[in-house]
Amino acid sequence: DAKTTQPTSMDCAEGRAANLPCNHSTISGNEYVYWYRQIHSQGPQYIIHGLKNNETNEMASLIITEDRKSSTLILPHATLRDTAVYYCIVRAANTNSGSRLTFGEGTQLTVNP
Amino acid sequence: NAGVTQTPKFQVLKTGQSMTLQCAQDMNHNSMYWYRQDPGMGLRLIYYSASEGTTDKGEVPNGYNVSRLNKREFSLRLESAAPSQTSVYFCASSVLTGGNTEAFFGQGTRLTVV
Repeated sequence: DAKTTQPTSMDCAEGRAANLPCNHSTISGNEYVYWYRQIHSQGPQYIIHGLKNNETNEMASLIITEDRKSSTLILPHATLRDTAVYYCIVRAANTNSGSRLTFGEGTQLTVNP
Repeated sequence: NAGVTQTPKFQVLKTGQSMTLQCAQDMNHNSMYWYRQDPGMGLRLIYYSASEGTTDKGEVPNGYNVSRLNKREFSLRLESAAPSQTSVYFCASSVLTGGNTEAFFGQGTRLTVV
């Protein structure tokens, strides 16, 4: 699985959009970009994933650059409950290994009142 | 719908003791996983079971054994606990449909080995 690089920490004002970047310059053509978050040592929670098109769901939007070497997770209206560590993970679809995920250290997002 | 349930939530062991961490999922998922998380670090995969009847080593398997008891249950055993195994252990499950699926995590077992 390709390596990812994320900033160690970010701050965001409550109600504003939080834009979390991720670099994955060695991504392969069959690798997906996944985002998970972990709130205060709870179990990680899936947010969104994508291959090459931008994706949106009720939690967030995922913008993937045309060359797929980087992506941005957007929380459109951050709340205090969005304070968490956000993990960007790149992995290939592999029916033999299911959803094996390689977690880096992620980005600590702090949403301030 | 409970999702992924881990027991116990907390445990203190003495060095050399053994114990089994239990995990059960009620989502009919094919794949299950055990991760550990040390303070300030991301999760690391210990073992996984892509489907019932199979288990494979992950990134950090030494000192652990696993059993996929049935489709619902996946247990992690520490035969002789060491202080280096003090960590938070997370179990997860996912549906095996091509790999691009989301994983669901339990709330963790906080293990201290003294």
